[in-house]
Amino acid sequence: DAGITQSPRYKITETGRQVTLMCHQTWSHSYMFWYRQDLGHGLRLIYYSAAADITDKGEVPDGYVVSRSKTENFPLTLESATRSQTSVYFCASSETRVGGEKLFFGSGTQLSVL
Amino acid sequence: GNSVTQMEGPVTLSEEAFLTINCTYTATGYPSLFWYVQYPGEGLQLLLKATKADDKGSNKGFEATYRKETTSFHLEKGSVQVSDSAVYFCALVHSGTYKYIFGTGTRLKVLA
Repeated sequence: DAGITQSPRYKITETGRQVTLMCHQTWSHSYMFWYRQDLGHGLRLIYYSAAADITDKGEVPDGYVVSRSKTENFPLTLESATRSQTSVYFCASSETRVGGEKLFFGSGTQLSVL
Repeated sequence: GNSVTQMEGPVTLSEEAFLTINCTYTATGYPSLFWYVQYPGEGLQLLLKATKADDKGSNKGFEATYRKETTSFHLEKGSVQVSDSAVYFCALVHSGTYKYIFGTGTRLKVLA
């Protein structure tokens, strides 16, 4: 199906474990983003990517790693999970044309770190 | 720096009531302004946008006007429905930067 998909939908892990959240889009959008959503903070940008092999830090990048070897995939890795990383994570993509800044969101991954 | 401030929720209304959700922003230059909506268990989706001063964005009966003089982008709807129950996010982005600044979200609950 066309669109942007995230997996898993729910994940429970333990402190110190490595976790990877997957994101796949079928539109060939150049820009992709990872946000975390926390009560009282709204959405905060973790990392973004302008194209394959081009990534940059957002507002809250500490403890996270991203890669983008292919345009359609943008995985987010928590190298050593901490309780403060319990959150809902959203992947999004966007076209590159001026005025095309509309974000297309996945359905989210709810992560609990115990 | 750039920021977006939304009214605290939750907002609880009866069906067919008038809705206003306030949003003000701080930004240099002339950002584009957006309202996104998040239904339960889903990701955000664009509701409406405005790209310059005095523009009015509208969609599904919702409206918001880009007010440069008051740095505001308040969301309104004349008659809400139960199906409008969701969380609404105000956001801004400067053209070409793709770095959105989101407000904290306002939860709307509409009672039948």
